[in-house]
Amino acid sequence: EAGVVQSPRYKIIEKKQPVAFWCNPISGHNTLYWYRQNLGQGPELLIRYENEEAVDDSQLPKDRFSAERLKGVDSTLKIQPAELGDSAVYLCASSLNWGQDNEQFFGPGTRLTVL
Amino acid sequence: SQQGEEDPQALSIQEGENATMNCSYKTSINNLQWYRQNSGRGLVHLILIRSNEREKHSGRLRVTLDTSKKSSSLLITASRAADTASYFCATGGANSKLTFGKGITLSVRP
Repeated sequence: EAGVVQSPRYKIIEKKQPVAFWCNPISGHNTLYWYRQNLGQGPELLIRYENEEAVDDSQLPKDRFSAERLKGVDSTLKIQPAELGDSAVYLCASSLNWGQDNEQFFGPGTRLTVL
Repeated sequence: SQQGEEDPQALSIQEGENATMNCSYKTSINNLQWYRQNSGRGLVHLILIRSNEREKHSGRLRVTLDTSKKSSSLLITASRAADTASYFCATGGANSKLTFGKGITLSVRP
């Protein structure tokens, strides 16, 4: 069974440029998460989707970040314009459903470097 | 903000030795989970312990939870070089949101 797929794996851009990340969750998983992991830190949740609905986006910097999950499967996370401080690893995860004890399965992440 | 705080920040042991990692947290939880992250990879779920449980085993892993002290420990017995990774504790709160700590870097020397 394929795991969570993310692309690209690496992205280097100059500041003020736009960038987009793509995630394909495990088939049948209704809940999808985007996390940001800064160097030497644990992941921090940016947004959580239940099917196609964003139900927790309280940590998403909405002035420059946007996300969508059309049809409740694949998801994209966009930054426009990128800033130096956005350099981090962006992790996508999925789980069967939302709730206690639901194991989250993580993708390999996209390492973003903003110059 | 990060709730879980792991200790030590880094640990280096010889293959075959046991590795003990600790996690402390601040607010009440529903469960506590441990994840492993190999270099350049995503996180892998290792084990989950509920707030009404005190100890749990999975293979070479043993997790304890002391809710009165708001702390947990992860023990890896008979460590292997392949156990070299970063280990994160994550707390599941009332809203089931996972909050991760900063992680512990474990190095197992062959």
